[in-house]
Amino acid sequence: SAVISQKPSRDICQRGTSLTIQCQVDSQVTMMFWYRQQPGQSLTLIATANQGSEATYESGFVIDKFPISRPNLTFSTLTVSNMSPEDSSIYLCSVGNRVQETQYFGPGTRLLVL
Amino acid sequence: AQSVTQLGSHVSVSEGALVLLRCNYSSSVPPYLFWYVQYPNQGLQLLLKYTTGATLVKGINGFEAEFKKSETSFHLTKPSAHMSDAAEYFCAVSDGAGSYQLTFGKGTKLSVIP
Repeated sequence: SAVISQKPSRDICQRGTSLTIQCQVDSQVTMMFWYRQQPGQSLTLIATANQGSEATYESGFVIDKFPISRPNLTFSTLTVSNMSPEDSSIYLCSVGNRVQETQYFGPGTRLLVL
Repeated sequence: AQSVTQLGSHVSVSEGALVLLRCNYSSSVPPYLFWYVQYPNQGLQLLLKYTTGATLVKGINGFEAEFKKSETSFHLTKPSAHMSDAAEYFCAVSDGAGSYQLTFGKGTKLSVIP
């Protein structure tokens, strides 16, 4: 499986600010995804990061709040904009392995908004 | 639409006892089923998956799960719990071949009592 890293691993931010989370994969992958895991909750898909085109957002998530970039097949960023305490969550990127038909997850970014 | 129900948000077992974590799903097409584990302050790690073929699948760390179509279940078991198994376990379903859309259950936190 691919090795996935995320930066930062955790952060504490003030409300109204923005944070950009990076996801790096050690091999080229077609599918990359961003998830949110709110405290004590399961994972919710935010969007699919498409290389060379706009991300595909799930219901309830919008580009203005969660802009995503995917400049190449090994890297993506998620920005959490104009943060509020409700954005305090773990944000995880994942990659889809077409051969194994499986998603593999990064270690997550733990965000606390004060 | 798919859905996943994990019975029991918190399960406690004694060290050496059987581990049984329950997962029921609904899907309009033959599903692919997954179990992921999340250790404290870490991302999700794939335990095992069912795609097609043998309905009893073996995963890492001695875990296994059986796909029962008639019961729409994919329960996770381990014959003998170890202290290191304490973690949160997530069951997930996808729409099968070519689909990367994962729907997660709410998770079951496993505690192992010495």
